[in-house]
Amino acid sequence: DAGVIQSPRHEVTEMGQEVTLRCKPISGHNSLFWYRQTMMRGLELLIYFNNNVPIDDSGMPEDRFSAKMPNASFSTLKIQPSEPRDSAVYFCASRPNRVGAGELFFGEGSRLTVL
Amino acid sequence: GQQLNQSPQSMFIQEGEDVSMNCTSSSIFNTWLWYKQDPGEGPVLLIALYKAGELTSNGRLTAQFGITRKDSFLNISASIPSDVGIYFCAGQRLETSYDKVIFGPGTSLSVIP
Repeated sequence: DAGVIQSPRHEVTEMGQEVTLRCKPISGHNSLFWYRQTMMRGLELLIYFNNNVPIDDSGMPEDRFSAKMPNASFSTLKIQPSEPRDSAVYFCASRPNRVGAGELFFGEGSRLTVL
Repeated sequence: GQQLNQSPQSMFIQEGEDVSMNCTSSSIFNTWLWYKQDPGEGPVLLIALYKAGELTSNGRLTAQFGITRKDSFLNISASIPSDVGIYFCAGQRLETSYDKVIFGPGTSLSVIP
């Protein structure tokens, strides 16, 4: 079975450029999460979708960040304009919607470097 | 806000030794999860715990959901080099309409052959 698929795996861009990260969750999973990982702050939850609807975006750093989930099989995280402090590994994770399910399944991450 | 603490922050052990790490919180959680992250990869689920007091094993790994629901521990027996990585605990609790999952800062494990 295919796991969570993220693209690109690596992105190097210059400050001020727009960055779009993509995620395809596991088929049948109704919940999708975007996390950011840095050495200083660890794994931070940015936004959580349930049935394609954003439920909690309190972790989104600022207006430069936006996320969408137009359908059950695709989500994007966009940073515009990007800044060097956005450099991090961004993970997408999905979770089945059955009662009591807690397990998140992570993608391999998108490593972003903003110069 | 809610916060998970993991200890130790890092460990250096000899191959064959047993490992113990734990996770604590000031808040009660409904579920505890333990993940391992290899370099350049995403976290992978090792063990999920759903009931206070529950003790669950997965091969050489054993984890327990604390009675108070505010802590959990993970043990690894007879460590091997491929156990190297960062181990994260995560707690899930019901908040209004959804289950929020919070991750600890991780325990970095190094195994010396």
